[in-house]
Amino acid sequence: GEDVEQSLFLSVREGDSSVINCTYTDSSSTYLYWYKQEPGAGLQLLTYIFSNMDMKQDQRLTVLLNKKDKHLSLRIADTQTGDSAIYFCAEGSTLVFGKGTRLSVIA
Amino acid sequence: GAVVSQHPSWVICKSGTSVKIECRSLDFQATTMFWYRQFPKQSLMLMATSNEGSKATYEQGVEKDKFLINHASLTLSTLTVTSAHPEDSSFYICSARDRGLAPHNEQFFGPGTRLTVL
Repeated sequence: GEDVEQSLFLSVREGDSSVINCTYTDSSSTYLYWYKQEPGAGLQLLTYIFSNMDMKQDQRLTVLLNKKDKHLSLRIADTQTGDSAIYFCAEGSTLVFGKGTRLSVIA
Repeated sequence: GAVVSQHPSWVICKSGTSVKIECRSLDFQATTMFWYRQFPKQSLMLMATSNEGSKATYEQGVEKDKFLINHASLTLSTLTVTSAHPEDSSFYICSARDRGLAPHNEQFFGPGTRLTVL
Protein backbone atom coordinates (compact mmCIF):
# COMPACT_ATOMS: atom_id res chain seq x y z
CA GLY A 1 0.00 0.00 0.00
CA GLU A 2 0.89 3.64 -0.02
CA ASP A 3 3.46 4.72 2.52
CA VAL A 4 5.05 8.04 3.39
CA GLU A 5 8.16 8.26 5.56
CA GLN A 6 9.66 11.26 7.32
CA SER A 7 12.30 11.83 9.94
CA LEU A 8 10.62 12.62 13.25
CA PHE A 9 12.66 15.51 14.62
CA LEU A 10 14.65 18.49 13.38
CA SER A 11 16.22 21.23 15.43
CA VAL A 12 17.66 24.39 13.89
CA ARG A 13 18.82 27.81 15.06
CA GLU A 14 16.77 30.86 14.29
CA GLY A 15 17.84 32.37 10.99
CA ASP A 16 19.22 29.10 9.60
CA SER A 17 17.57 27.09 6.87
CA SER A 18 15.53 23.99 7.69
CA VAL A 19 15.25 21.05 5.35
CA ILE A 20 12.59 18.44 5.99
CA ASN A 21 12.72 15.28 3.92
CA CYS A 22 10.07 12.79 2.90
CA THR A 23 9.95 9.61 0.84
CA TYR A 24 6.81 8.14 -0.65
CA THR A 25 5.83 5.02 -2.50
CA ASP A 26 2.90 5.89 -4.77
CA SER A 27 4.41 7.11 -8.03
CA SER A 28 0.96 7.81 -9.47
CA SER A 29 0.23 10.72 -7.10
CA THR A 30 -0.61 13.83 -9.09
CA TYR A 31 0.10 16.20 -6.24
CA LEU A 32 2.29 16.09 -3.18
CA TYR A 33 1.70 18.33 -0.22
CA TRP A 34 3.29 19.85 2.83
CA TYR A 35 1.07 20.62 5.80
CA LYS A 36 1.89 22.40 9.04
CA GLN A 37 0.29 21.58 12.38
CA GLU A 38 0.73 23.81 15.38
CA PRO A 39 0.12 22.40 18.88
CA GLY A 40 -3.50 21.42 19.48
CA ALA A 41 -4.60 22.65 16.08
CA GLY A 42 -5.67 21.26 12.74
CA LEU A 43 -3.57 21.19 9.62
CA GLN A 44 -2.71 24.10 7.41
CA LEU A 45 -1.69 23.55 3.81
CA LEU A 46 1.70 25.18 3.35
CA THR A 47 2.38 24.32 -0.23
CA TYR A 48 1.96 21.63 -2.82
CA ILE A 49 3.76 20.55 -5.95
CA PHE A 50 2.45 19.03 -9.13
CA SER A 51 4.11 15.75 -9.95
CA ASN A 52 5.58 16.96 -13.25
CA MET A 53 7.52 19.72 -11.50
CA ASP A 54 10.98 19.45 -9.97
CA MET A 55 10.88 22.54 -7.83
CA LYS A 56 8.47 25.09 -6.51
CA GLN A 57 9.34 28.23 -4.61
CA ASP A 58 6.92 30.23 -2.52
CA GLN A 59 8.51 33.03 -0.50
CA ARG A 60 10.61 31.32 2.20
CA LEU A 61 9.51 27.85 1.15
CA THR A 62 11.19 25.74 -1.52
CA VAL A 63 9.87 22.31 -2.44
CA LEU A 64 12.08 19.89 -4.33
CA LEU A 65 10.70 16.76 -5.95
CA ASN A 66 12.81 13.87 -7.19
CA LYS A 67 10.35 11.52 -8.85
CA LYS A 68 12.95 8.94 -9.69
CA ASP A 69 13.87 8.49 -6.05
CA LYS A 70 10.33 9.33 -4.79
CA HIS A 71 11.83 11.95 -2.56
CA LEU A 72 10.24 15.23 -1.54
CA SER A 73 11.82 17.96 0.54
CA LEU A 74 10.73 21.22 2.09
CA ARG A 75 13.27 23.94 2.70
CA ILE A 76 12.38 26.84 4.96
CA ALA A 77 14.74 29.76 4.58
CA ASP A 78 15.51 32.10 7.49
CA THR A 79 13.67 29.86 9.94
CA GLN A 80 11.82 31.73 12.68
CA THR A 81 10.55 30.62 16.09
CA GLY A 82 7.03 30.85 14.68
CA ASP A 83 7.95 28.05 12.29
CA SER A 84 8.15 25.60 15.21
CA ALA A 85 5.48 23.01 14.47
CA ILE A 86 4.97 19.55 13.04
CA TYR A 87 5.30 19.30 9.29
CA PHE A 88 3.49 16.56 7.41
CA CYS A 89 4.26 15.34 3.95
CA ALA A 90 1.23 13.89 2.15
CA GLU A 91 0.42 12.38 -1.21
CA GLY A 92 -2.59 11.40 -3.22
CA SER A 93 -6.14 12.62 -3.62
CA THR A 94 -7.14 10.85 -0.42
CA LEU A 95 -4.25 12.10 1.58
CA VAL A 96 -1.74 9.61 2.93
CA PHE A 97 0.31 11.35 5.58
CA GLY A 98 3.76 10.74 6.92
CA LYS A 99 4.21 10.64 10.70
CA GLY A 100 5.29 14.24 10.71
CA THR A 101 8.56 16.01 11.46
CA ARG A 102 8.66 18.07 14.62
CA LEU A 103 10.66 21.22 13.89
CA SER A 104 12.13 23.02 16.88
CA VAL A 105 13.64 26.44 16.32
CA ILE A 106 16.15 27.61 18.87
CA ALA A 107 16.38 31.34 19.42
CA GLY B 1 -9.92 31.49 2.37
CA ALA B 2 -11.99 28.39 2.97
CA VAL B 3 -12.77 27.81 6.63
CA VAL B 4 -13.78 24.59 8.32
CA SER B 5 -15.01 24.57 11.88
CA GLN B 6 -15.46 21.73 14.35
CA HIS B 7 -17.58 21.57 17.44
CA PRO B 8 -16.86 20.90 20.19
CA SER B 9 -13.15 21.62 20.33
CA TRP B 10 -12.80 19.26 23.27
CA VAL B 11 -15.09 16.88 25.10
CA ILE B 12 -14.80 14.64 28.11
CA CYS B 13 -17.34 11.87 28.52
CA LYS B 14 -17.98 8.77 30.56
CA SER B 15 -17.36 5.33 29.17
CA GLY B 16 -20.43 3.96 27.42
CA THR B 17 -21.86 7.28 26.32
CA SER B 18 -22.06 8.57 22.76
CA VAL B 19 -20.44 11.74 21.52
CA LYS B 20 -21.27 13.72 18.40
CA ILE B 21 -18.71 15.89 16.66
CA GLU B 22 -19.76 18.41 14.02
CA CYS B 23 -17.73 19.55 11.06
CA ARG B 24 -18.89 22.58 9.08
CA SER B 25 -17.61 24.28 5.98
CA LEU B 26 -18.32 27.93 6.67
CA ASP B 27 -17.85 29.67 3.35
CA PHE B 28 -17.97 26.96 0.73
CA GLN B 29 -19.91 23.89 -0.23
CA ALA B 30 -18.18 20.62 0.48
CA THR B 31 -19.29 17.63 -1.52
CA THR B 32 -16.70 15.52 0.21
CA MET B 33 -15.63 15.54 3.83
CA PHE B 34 -13.02 13.40 5.49
CA TRP B 35 -12.62 12.25 9.07
CA TYR B 36 -9.19 11.58 10.53
CA ARG B 37 -7.95 10.35 13.85
CA GLN B 38 -4.64 11.36 15.33
CA PHE B 39 -2.98 9.73 18.30
CA PRO B 40 -0.36 11.66 20.31
CA LYS B 41 2.80 12.19 18.29
CA GLN B 42 1.38 10.14 15.45
CA SER B 43 0.23 10.85 11.96
CA LEU B 44 -3.32 11.39 10.84
CA MET B 45 -5.13 8.21 9.95
CA LEU B 46 -8.05 8.49 7.57
CA MET B 47 -11.14 6.94 9.11
CA ALA B 48 -13.75 7.57 6.45
CA THR B 49 -14.71 9.60 3.43
CA SER B 50 -18.15 11.08 3.35
CA ASN B 51 -20.00 12.35 0.31
CA GLU B 52 -23.06 14.52 0.68
CA GLY B 53 -26.24 12.52 0.46
CA SER B 54 -24.63 9.10 0.39
CA LYS B 55 -23.15 6.61 2.81
CA ALA B 56 -19.65 7.11 4.08
CA THR B 57 -16.80 4.94 2.87
CA TYR B 58 -14.84 3.57 5.80
CA GLU B 59 -11.19 2.63 5.79
CA GLN B 60 -10.18 -0.88 6.61
CA GLY B 61 -10.27 -1.56 10.32
CA VAL B 62 -12.67 1.27 11.17
CA GLU B 63 -15.94 0.04 12.67
CA LYS B 64 -18.81 1.72 10.86
CA ASP B 65 -21.26 0.88 13.65
CA LYS B 66 -19.03 2.54 16.21
CA PHE B 67 -18.15 5.64 14.22
CA LEU B 68 -21.36 6.84 12.63
CA ILE B 69 -20.93 9.47 9.95
CA ASN B 70 -23.69 11.58 8.51
CA HIS B 71 -23.19 14.10 5.71
CA ALA B 72 -26.68 15.46 5.33
CA SER B 73 -25.86 18.77 3.71
CA LEU B 74 -23.14 20.41 1.68
CA THR B 75 -21.87 22.24 4.72
CA LEU B 76 -22.22 19.78 7.57
CA SER B 77 -20.89 16.34 8.43
CA THR B 78 -21.14 14.69 11.83
CA LEU B 79 -19.17 11.92 13.45
CA THR B 80 -20.81 10.10 16.34
CA VAL B 81 -18.64 7.91 18.51
CA THR B 82 -21.10 5.41 19.95
CA SER B 83 -20.61 3.70 23.29
CA ALA B 84 -17.26 5.39 23.72
CA HIS B 85 -14.47 3.67 25.60
CA PRO B 86 -11.11 4.98 26.85
CA GLU B 87 -9.34 3.57 23.79
CA ASP B 88 -11.46 5.92 21.65
CA SER B 89 -9.75 8.88 23.29
CA SER B 90 -8.00 10.72 20.50
CA PHE B 91 -7.81 13.89 18.45
CA TYR B 92 -10.41 13.80 15.68
CA ILE B 93 -9.91 16.07 12.70
CA CYS B 94 -12.22 16.66 9.79
CA SER B 95 -11.46 18.15 6.41
CA ALA B 96 -13.55 19.26 3.49
CA ARG B 97 -13.02 19.55 -0.21
CA ASP B 98 -14.66 22.37 -2.11
CA ARG B 99 -16.99 21.11 -4.82
CA GLY B 100 -15.82 23.63 -7.35
CA LEU B 101 -12.24 24.63 -7.12
CA ALA B 102 -8.83 23.65 -5.89
CA PRO B 103 -7.47 21.76 -8.90
CA HIS B 104 -4.80 20.46 -6.61
CA ASN B 105 -7.54 18.69 -4.64
CA GLU B 106 -6.93 20.76 -1.58
CA GLN B 107 -8.60 19.66 1.60
CA PHE B 108 -9.34 22.32 4.19
CA PHE B 109 -8.91 21.10 7.73
CA GLY B 110 -10.88 21.84 10.84
CA PRO B 111 -9.11 22.67 14.12
CA GLY B 112 -9.79 19.24 15.58
CA THR B 113 -11.76 17.85 18.50
CA ARG B 114 -10.01 16.29 21.44
CA LEU B 115 -12.08 13.45 22.91
CA THR B 116 -11.25 12.05 26.33
CA VAL B 117 -13.25 9.07 27.53
CA LEU B 118 -13.04 8.36 31.24
